[in-house]
Amino acid sequence: DGGITQSPKYLFRKEGQNVTLSCEQNLNHDAMYWYRQDPGQGLRLIYYSQIVNDFQKGDIAEGYSVSREKKESFPLTVTSAQKNPTAFYLCASSAFPLRTVRYNEQFFGPGTRLTVL
Amino acid sequence: SQQGEEDPQALSIQEGENATMNCSYKTSINNLQWYRQNSGRGLVHLILIRSNEREKHSGRLRVTLDTSKKSSSLLITASRAADTASYFCATDSRSGGGADGLTFGKGTHLIIQP
Repeated sequence: DGGITQSPKYLFRKEGQNVTLSCEQNLNHDAMYWYRQDPGQGLRLIYYSQIVNDFQKGDIAEGYSVSREKKESFPLTVTSAQKNPTAFYLCASSAFPLRTVRYNEQFFGPGTRLTVL
Repeated sequence: SQQGEEDPQALSIQEGENATMNCSYKTSINNLQWYRQNSGRGLVHLILIRSNEREKHSGRLRVTLDTSKKSSSLLITASRAADTASYFCATDSRSGGGADGLTFGKGTHLIIQP
């Protein structure tokens, strides 16, 4: 089955720890995204990547880091610098031809719920 | 800041009735999309409407777009219990046409009473 997977589903972190959330896709999509969702809120963009070995900050990048070493993978690290990391994290991908930027729907993973103890 | 704002925040209707949700946004867009999220799950794409389109249909869904008012509406006809979910509009206000991320509203939580 083609799709986008995230692991783990639930993650608990002690204060001061860094944790890494996994996101993998087998849709052959060029672009990948990380969003954060707080209760009763919409999604806010953390980081995005349009091509391997390149990524850009979104609206709330402070306290987070990413890498894009493979097309299929876009892990997100929540660092100790993120003061309020408890949230639901969603990864998404979209088919993004470099020259044609139009009308791209995003495909979402099932999410990782991170709780700081 | 949020680009889109959905209205109402919550909506409860009887099964079989129609449900209408509205979305307003602030800046010019290339397209507007609607997504659905079941509790604790990822988002599922429902429909995309381009800035040069005024209305679009997909099954029981009807979306309208008024770029002069910077608003969109999502109509779900003949609602079913399985339609219970949160619905989000998303816009690609950035210059990348959405490839550099979408901007989401806070969503409308729809409850279909059996």
